Amino acid sequence: AQSVTQLDSQVPVFEEAPVELRCNYSSSVSVYLFWYVQYPNQGLQLLLKYLSGSTLVKGINGFEAEFNKSQTSFHLRKPSVHISDTAEYFCAVSDRARRDKIIFGKGTRLHILP
Amino acid sequence: EPEVTQTPSHQVTQMGQEVILRCVPISNHLYFYWYRQILGQKVEFLVSFYNNEISEKSEIFDDQFSVERPDGSNFTLKIRSTKLEDSAMYFCASSGEGIGYTFGSGTRLTVV
Repeated sequence: AQSVTQLDSQVPVFEEAPVELRCNYSSSVSVYLFWYVQYPNQGLQLLLKYLSGSTLVKGINGFEAEFNKSQTSFHLRKPSVHISDTAEYFCAVSDRARRDKIIFGKGTRLHILP
Repeated sequence: EPEVTQTPSHQVTQMGQEVILRCVPISNHLYFYWYRQILGQKVEFLVSFYNNEISEKSEIFDDQFSVERPDGSNFTLKIRSTKLEDSAMYFCASSGEGIGYTFGSGTRLTVV
């Protein structure tokens, strides 16, 4: 079974400042890793995913994430945030060998301060 | 870009009534899923469906829930007798040969 921990339920950050949203996972099998974004009153949009290869993954809207196998982490970063980045961010994992589900963390609300 | 389409976007139903949530997955996808998100909480897995049968379900997905792929394009979630605690946003997702899960915009179900 897999689980995902997002320790920060909310992260306030000033506009144009950098941000890191933390994600740790637990799994007895190899996993794929994902970050999804949910803008207010909208659905879930894929930001980026790690499948294999380079541990630094670049996604949409200037976001990137780094897979660290030894620390079982997949932290999301952006060098300079904008008001439009205000949203809920979900880290998720799925079993590489199965297609039966994707498991989400509890989410981190990114609050951009003017 | 292909999308997963969900209808309706918002449904209000009385407690005890049956409700059917509809989804049109991406046309060449083979794996289908339902998730729910109670307001302010995490996104929870309900059920996955492949090759015309359920491949996995969570403990939330009890006998009150059922899924169906009635034709080549639709994927439905039925709740037989709704309870107040079924109020949530329900997301449909699909997955194809590539690795990734595409989600619809959701149906907000309000049980009164």
